[in-house]
Amino acid sequence: AQKVTQAQTEISVVEKEDVTLDCVYETRDTTYYLFWYKQPPSGELVFLIRRNSFDEQNEISGRYSWNFQKSTSSFNFTITASQVVDSAVYFCALSASRDTGNQFYFGTGTSLTVIP
Amino acid sequence: DAGVIQSPRHEVTEMGQEVTLRCKPISGHNSLFWYRQTMMRGLELLIYFNNNVPIDDSGMPEDRFSAKMPNASFSTLKIQPSEPRDSAVYFCASIPVAGGGEDTQYFGPGTRLTVL
Repeated sequence: AQKVTQAQTEISVVEKEDVTLDCVYETRDTTYYLFWYKQPPSGELVFLIRRNSFDEQNEISGRYSWNFQKSTSSFNFTITASQVVDSAVYFCALSASRDTGNQFYFGTGTSLTVIP
Repeated sequence: DAGVIQSPRHEVTEMGQEVTLRCKPISGHNSLFWYRQTMMRGLELLIYFNNNVPIDDSGMPEDRFSAKMPNASFSTLKIQPSEPRDSAVYFCASIPVAGGGEDTQYFGPGTRLTVL
């Protein structure tokens, strides 16, 4: 079975602090894909990143970075020098090759509030 | 390119009325997904289609819900009769290729449904 766990329900940080959002996944597939989405207060779901199971290299995009560790089945997301605009709900998701149609398994989301 | 288009963006109706939500996927995308998001239950997959064919509707809450995809560029989600507990944001998402798990789901802006 596929499962994504985001244990942090809500996080509050002061602007300019770094913050890490945790994501732990479960799958029996050897080929799978991990995603992060951002849902700002306006409500849309914005794609941030996709990672495949064969690529454990960390990725950095501006203030955002992602740490993928197969040994711990984690795909954590770090925001450096947080800003108020980072306030949103962040979802981690898993898609496995065994499934037909690219069904996604979403975590319950982490609500991040950045306090000015 | 236009993203996933959903209409209406907001819908307010009275209990017992029929509600139809519409979705136009990104041109060329083969799979389409309907989700429902509530505070209590988070993001739930209702149904998804591959090449216009429903693949898994196990997430459809009950017989009051139905979904169709008559062609590659249009899908509807119908609730008849609607109930207050159906109040939620309904998202549509599409991906370019069916199967494999690697493709990113792109979401529409959502329809906020309120049933009084």
